[in-house]
Amino acid sequence: QQPVQSPQAVILREGEDAVINCSSSKALYSVHWYRQKHGEAPVFLMILLKGGEQKGHEKISASFNEKKQQSSLYLTASQLSYSGTYFCGTENTQGGSEKLVFGKGTKLTVNP
Amino acid sequence: DVKVTQSSRYLVKRTGEKVFLECVQDMDHENMFWYRQDPGLGLRLIYFSYDVKMKEKGDIPEGYSVSREKKERFSLILESASTNQTSMYLCASSLWTSGESTDTQYFGPGTRLTVL
Repeated sequence: QQPVQSPQAVILREGEDAVINCSSSKALYSVHWYRQKHGEAPVFLMILLKGGEQKGHEKISASFNEKKQQSSLYLTASQLSYSGTYFCGTENTQGGSEKLVFGKGTKLTVNP
Repeated sequence: DVKVTQSSRYLVKRTGEKVFLECVQDMDHENMFWYRQDPGLGLRLIYFSYDVKMKEKGDIPEGYSVSREKKERFSLILESASTNQTSMYLCASSLWTSGESTDTQYFGPGTRLTVL
């Protein structure tokens, strides 16, 4: 079941904040966040496991809400380098699948 | 440094041709994946392999087959290319975890295939 990402696109000015959500209709075990810059391969950002632990990576952090079956990616004080398409990949069961189901992506544009 | 390479960045083929897309990883990863990326549809899994000669269908396997004869190499085959297979194809690899969460996937640069 493909997770639903929102919004589909967002345009920011440098220094502004953004939140990208990833929701599943089934219980989540883990959520993986990737960023793909234009013309490049997707690159891993972080993994969140069932348990609600928030993680951070420079000014990009994420949370996992087990009850809402949702993960949110927080980009604070955005920089031009944050522009790209953000994908969440989800696992609904613990271990064994070795696969992720990716959302359709959220295109983030940061302008000067 | 981790590396996944794909044989071509751009490929143009004619309808009905047999097309081979090659992917090689140098990380000794057990898992390899082929995705298709289309605007507005995200990354969709075509096939997955967790070991040499082992394969598993993904979400959109129709019209595709795969081959994994060596651990580092995973090939995607379009038996008879059609125009609706025009797309960006991404290969990825990851470690086998057999327990906790699936591991980080490392992606290749992609092959943009155009079928005329």
